[in-house]
Amino acid sequence: SQQGEEDPQALSIQEGENATMNCSYKTSINNLQWYRQNSGRGLVHLILIRSNEREKHSGRLRVTLDTSKKSSSLLITASRAADTASYFCARIYYTGANSKLTFGKGITLSVRP
Amino acid sequence: DAGVIQSPRHEVTEMGQEVTLRCKPISGHNSLFWYRQTMMRGLELLIYFNNNVPIDDSGMPEDRFSAKMPNASFSTLKIQPSEPRDSAVYFCASSLSPTAINQPQHFGDGTRLSIL
Repeated sequence: SQQGEEDPQALSIQEGENATMNCSYKTSINNLQWYRQNSGRGLVHLILIRSNEREKHSGRLRVTLDTSKKSSSLLITASRAADTASYFCARIYYTGANSKLTFGKGITLSVRP
Repeated sequence: DAGVIQSPRHEVTEMGQEVTLRCKPISGHNSLFWYRQTMMRGLELLIYFNNNVPIDDSGMPEDRFSAKMPNASFSTLKIQPSEPRDSAVYFCASSLSPTAINQPQHFGDGTRLSIL
């Protein structure tokens, strides 16, 4: 797609394992955000990483950004069944006075108890 | 804190009918966004407003779709006439900053629309 890709499309792991999800983009971004969506609910913001940052942590979440490879990763450590959800990366493009946030199709994570 | 409130949560109607989706953003937020989510196309931005003014409606699929924001606490997305291919989940989101560069977006729980 023009915006980039997320991979894998689906991921199934055992509780306690780590989950790594990847997001790529094609044009320069201002920042990148990760969101989570539980079934039947709206998206919830998890973490934002700016284009001049390389790594950011929030609890069990770790996000990295590699602008040379135009990619980002979301790592969830010590996963729990409650982490089962879809995860989206949102790329922020600056368009003059405004910005545009473009979502991928999401990664479905299943954590087996 | 009240989040973004959307109504109705579910809507089932027949092809050709007018559909109106409603959204109340978080108080104090200056930007409001309408999205459509389908399995095939993922999450698509339809239109967004800054300070009640439509800024980018390039994602609105066709003239059958229209959106308004008469004041800072209310927005509507209207489809007239509706078609089966409009079936999707429609989300409203709001954020603090007009530029929204470094601000997260807060989503409502969506309206699941089915056009028969």
